[in-house]
Amino acid sequence: SQTIHQWPATLVQPVGSPLSLECTVEGTSNPNLYWYRQAAGRGLQLLFYSVGIGQISSEVPQNLSASRPQDRQFILSSKKLLLSDSGFYLCAWSIGSGPNEQFFGPGTRLTVL
Amino acid sequence: DAKTTQPPSMDCAEGRAANLPCNHSTISGNEYVYWYRQIHSQGPQYIIHGLKNNETNEMASLIITEDRKSSTLILPHATLRDTAVYYCIVADGRDDKIIFGKGTRLHILP
Repeated sequence: SQTIHQWPATLVQPVGSPLSLECTVEGTSNPNLYWYRQAAGRGLQLLFYSVGIGQISSEVPQNLSASRPQDRQFILSSKKLLLSDSGFYLCAWSIGSGPNEQFFGPGTRLTVL
Repeated sequence: DAKTTQPPSMDCAEGRAANLPCNHSTISGNEYVYWYRQIHSQGPQYIIHGLKNNETNEMASLIITEDRKSSTLILPHATLRDTAVYYCIVADGRDDKIIFGKGTRLHILP
């Protein structure tokens, strides 16, 4: 069966510090991978998605970047965090395009102070 | 931007059917209707999707109007564990991504 892991579960970082959030998927090959952010009291915002190794699509201009060094690994990074980067970060995967459901990870709650 | 309109919140008594409406008046022929829900502090969970016909699974039923401009998600016997934000999403069957709107916050009342 397929599983998706995210770590860390919670993170408190000072403004201006770097960030690295990792997401890995097990039990499937060549998944589509997604990073979402949910700010407090807000909806889910799609940040990045990837349909293959090294292929990253950015949905919104921001302080963050994403990389996919391996087929089932998706990393969200920042060189210098802003207060506005605080939120709940969710990774998700799906198989192929079309009407396929997305499966979400447990999320990382990031607080920038 | 999300292509759907949902009421911001709804209440439903425990044990009754919860009917969640969604308007998608600009839906095109290639676009599916998806429903997800998000329980507090968790990632969203897929519920159901459909194109034209009504669909049913172990979680819910999806009723799509004949003109496809609106749909209703039905939870037949709501329980307290169904309290969540429910998202109605319209996405092209050829797309790799889906865009979440603000959803409906469903409160199940004991």
